[in-house]
Amino acid sequence: AIRMTQSPSSFSASTGDRVTITCRASQGISNYLAWYQQKPGKAPKLLIYVASTLQSGVPSRFSGSGSGTDFTLTISYLQSEDFATYYCQQYSTYPRTFGQGTKVEIK
Amino acid sequence: EVQLVESGGGLVQPGGSLRLSCAASGFIFSDHYMDWVRQAPGKGLEWVGRIRNKGNSYTTEYVESVKGRFTISRDDSKNSLYLQMNSLKTEDTAVYFCVRSSPNAFDIWGQGTMVTVSS
Repeated sequence: AIRMTQSPSSFSASTGDRVTITCRASQGISNYLAWYQQKPGKAPKLLIYVASTLQSGVPSRFSGSGSGTDFTLTISYLQSEDFATYYCQQYSTYPRTFGQGTKVEIK
Repeated sequence: EVQLVESGGGLVQPGGSLRLSCAASGFIFSDHYMDWVRQAPGKGLEWVGRIRNKGNSYTTEYVESVKGRFTISRDDSKNSLYLQMNSLKTEDTAVYFCVRSSPNAFDIWGQGTMVTVSS
């Protein structure tokens, strides 16, 4: 199975900050990568697919980049509603696998 | 409104069985591949398995840890997805999410149903 490793696992930030989360795949996955946001007690929400395409309705302050094994999710201007846990997921091969999650907390 | 609603979760003893259901509405269910994803308490997301659509012969995929124990099925006439779970283990304790694939990223999620495996 492809292992997805996110960094950092958690960090604190302030509203207005620019934040970047990285995701590394244990082998190349082309651009078959998605990012999800999950808030406590809620289902995850798709933010980005094929590494850089914004899902409909997702604010433009979210962006994704990367290909192969290294990917990033960037939030250009952190808003209060963005404090959550973020997961990357590969859909290049089976089994589909997720990163361990990155929790973004309020500083 | 596009919606997925899971049901059937509960408390079951190790070695027992449970069948989860997922009712879909607001989209053409039969067109889509459907997946199950689970999340153990306080942990991350784990993909459980997938069922393809009729055009792809309803074929399935599973994560290794549930192969031979879990079975995914669907009834397109009822817009429903199912997860039959047998020989349950304590490590299967999780919230189970029904998920729509579009076509490979998971774009619609249900609210989840809790399965607790404990004696």
